[in-house]
Order: sequence, then structure tokens, then C-alpha cells
Amino acid sequence: NAGVTQTPKFQVLKTGQSMTLQCAQDMNHNSMYWYRQDPGMGLRLIYYSASEGTTDKGEVPNGYNVSRLNKREFSLRLESAAPSQTSVYFCASRQGPNTGELFFGEGSRLTVL
Amino acid sequence: AQKITQTQPGMFVQEKEAVTLDCTYDTSDQSYGLFWYKQPSSGEMIFLIYQGSYDEQNATEGRYSLNFQKARKSANLVISASQLGDSAMYFCAMSVPYSGAGSYQLTFGKGTKLSVIP
Repeated sequence: NAGVTQTPKFQVLKTGQSMTLQCAQDMNHNSMYWYRQDPGMGLRLIYYSASEGTTDKGEVPNGYNVSRLNKREFSLRLESAAPSQTSVYFCASRQGPNTGELFFGEGSRLTVL
Repeated sequence: AQKITQTQPGMFVQEKEAVTLDCTYDTSDQSYGLFWYKQPSSGEMIFLIYQGSYDEQNATEGRYSLNFQKARKSANLVISASQLGDSAMYFCAMSVPYSGAGSYQLTFGKGTKLSVIP
């Protein structure tokens, strides 16, 4: 029973490098989300996908892009990483846009030097 | 704009005692949902309890209950009979309509760190 799986769990990048965080859920959920968590800031929404084929910006989308590859997978891309993007990233999914609780992945710790 | 406020950065409670974690919210929407999540030091986010804005009774899940006061816009989490394993960060969140039609998002508070003392 995997739930929400994120990879990689840890990553160190140099400023300007690019990378993609992968996320997959096996619960047949329609909605998927990417959050970042910084000390003292709680979780802030980066992007979300209410359903397959749609994506929308959240509170802090600058510097990120997303792809909803299919119903299961929702990736987050950093095209040119900056130190301000050092954070813990959480992928989450939900049965529907307004149905049920969010199920979270284990988080990905990203450090940008 | 929707907002969640958790005014207690840190709380201490004696083992076996009850504790209340505060959460206030601000929204102009009539339909919304309120959630509490627990984040232990290991980092995962664990769902605890949910309250819908139209639910007339306070939600309960085992030792967790949500004290929902709609007029005051508060959704406090009550943990009864605290255990050492309850030591963690606790986040209050609200689900409201957002952006495009049919879209909702969960907005999180900044969290309260609960420490349970033996």
C-alpha cells in the first residue's frame, strides 16, 4: 500500500542547475498538489492539478513548472535552481478537488548551494 | 484572501493531561473544510481529523476532537490524555474554493509544536 511516492528523497543542487521531483499516487485520486515547507512558514502551495489534464498556480509558483503526466503522476520541475528554493517539498493527493483529506508523500529535501 | 492563524508557536503538556491547540480562520466562503495534521520529527504528514463547515456536531476521532465554533471562526484541536508520542508539530488547514471553477486548495497555518512532558 504505497500511497503517495516521491523521488528523490534528498538532493543537493548548485545554483542554476535543473531537476525534476517525481510524484506518483496509487489511490486513483483525481487531484494532486505540490507544497513546500520552510521553517516557521507552514506549508505553501506551489502548484496543483484538480484533475488529469489541468494544472494551476498556487501561492508560490515562481521558479517552478509542473506536468500532470497522467492520473497517477505529477512532477515538479526547477528549471534554474536558486538558494531560495532550498526547502522540503511535499507532494499530496486527494480524491477530488473538494473531497476527502490530503494524503502526503514522505517529502523531498532539496538543498541549493 | 483565506487565512489560517495558529497563535501558539509552542506548547507544553503533562503526560495524561488534555491540551487544546488553537486555530482561527478567515474566509468569506460559506462552504469550507477544516483539517488538522500531525508532523512528527520524522517529517511525514499525518491526517488527524476533519470538520465540514455545515457539520453541526464537532468531529471526533479517538483521542482527538475538534472544537468548532463557526461564529468565532475557530477550529481548535483538543487532544485528551496526552501521550509521549503526541510530541510533534500540528498544522491546521482549511479547504476553500480557489482560482478556477471546481478548484479547491488547502491553506495551512504555520503550526504549533507540542511537547509532552513525562
